[in-house]
Amino acid sequence: QKEVEQNSGPLSVPEGAIASLNCTYSDRGSQSFFWYRQYSGKSPELIMSIYSNGDKEDGRFTAQLNKASQYVSLLIRDSQPSDSATYLCAVNEGKTSYDKVIFGPGTSLSVIP
Amino acid sequence: NAGVTQTPKFQVLKTGQSMTLQCAQDMNHNSMYWYRQDPGMGLRLIYYSASEGTTDKGEVPNGYNVSRLNKREFSLRLESAAPSQTSVYFCASSDIAGGYEQFFGPGTRLTVL
Repeated sequence: QKEVEQNSGPLSVPEGAIASLNCTYSDRGSQSFFWYRQYSGKSPELIMSIYSNGDKEDGRFTAQLNKASQYVSLLIRDSQPSDSATYLCAVNEGKTSYDKVIFGPGTSLSVIP
Repeated sequence: NAGVTQTPKFQVLKTGQSMTLQCAQDMNHNSMYWYRQDPGMGLRLIYYSASEGTTDKGEVPNGYNVSRLNKREFSLRLESAAPSQTSVYFCASSDIAGGYEQFFGPGTRLTVL
């Protein structure tokens, strides 16, 4: 059974701090990794995608991928109350299924003003 | 561009009733998906379609059927609704041109009494 796990929440950080969200996956063949943000009562919204080992930065968001450790993380710098949401990690189903992903259970983030 | 649209937004059914959830996308994507989201369970794939004319079961297909009517539309049918199918249903689409980043519709909140 292929699995995607995320650090259990809820995670609370003060405004302006760095929020660190972690995700591990079981399928060594996975090639595509995604972070989605989901506000309460809304649909998931893509924040970042990463396909190669290392860091990828987009504004206040940085995704980090380490395929050897089967680990992907999302850092949110200068956290804002508007970042309060559930963050979903998604990983594609290995080398034979690039267009199907498995979602983790999500980590709830609360940014305290 | 509307992106991914879903109808209806809300629905209440009685046990044993049937209904069809509609989904359409205007991004010319080949792959389309139906997920359900339950509290604490994350997003689980019900069915997906890699291209027009093809469909495949996901993690939780029992009690559902799908139709990929054309490239734009992908419908989900509940033939005989059960209380266990009370959930929020999301449709999504993706394409290789976008690295299989998935774009989600607004969701359908379904209650089965």
